[in-house]
Amino acid sequence: GQNIDQPTEMTATEGAIVQINCTYQTSGFNGLFWYQQHAGEAPTFLSYNVLDGLEEKGRFSSFLSRSKGYSYLLLKELQMKDSASYLCAVMDSNYQLIWGAGTKLIIKP
Amino acid sequence: ETGVTQTPRHLVMGMTNKKSLKCEQHLGHNAMYWYKQSAKKPLELMFVYNFKEQTENNSVPSRFSPECPNSSHLFLHLHTLQPEDSALYLCASSQGTGDTDTQYFGPGTRLTVL
Repeated sequence: GQNIDQPTEMTATEGAIVQINCTYQTSGFNGLFWYQQHAGEAPTFLSYNVLDGLEEKGRFSSFLSRSKGYSYLLLKELQMKDSASYLCAVMDSNYQLIWGAGTKLIIKP
Repeated sequence: ETGVTQTPRHLVMGMTNKKSLKCEQHLGHNAMYWYKQSAKKPLELMFVYNFKEQTENNSVPSRFSPECPNSSHLFLHLHTLQPEDSALYLCASSQGTGDTDTQYFGPGTRLTVL
């Protein structure tokens, strides 16, 4: 079967750095997405990786290793507004998104 | 604002009621999706429409009935639901259904079935 694993919850301190990991086993691979979802709101797109390596976008970076079936989302200079759930999703060979259950990130002052 | 709106935002219904969820996208996209999001579970894809044609139906019970009258509007008709259908129902749209077609989500309808 297809599976996306990410930690259920993480806690970090304002101003610090946090890395959220995602491992996947899917039938085929056509890219990996990260979304942010604040409580009661829509998931919003953060990043897309299809080639190995690091993609940097401001305070957020996303890394992919296809051979290891692994990705991480790196958040720097954490702010209170970064408290949210972070969803990892992989597009499989049928171009369907397979989703992880999300990682709830709690930022403490 | 992502350009995708959903109404109503909250809905409480009994098991014998009939109701409809509405989604509208203002992004000029050709594909639209319904997802179910339950607490601490991955998003579950329910239906996909591409150019108004249904392309995916992921073994969804017949008590959920989608309708896509045009590329900008998507409905989910609900009837004789069960309490376990209580969840957040998310609508999304994308330009197409290819690998680089990012999905943009609406805020969801929080559904409670009594």
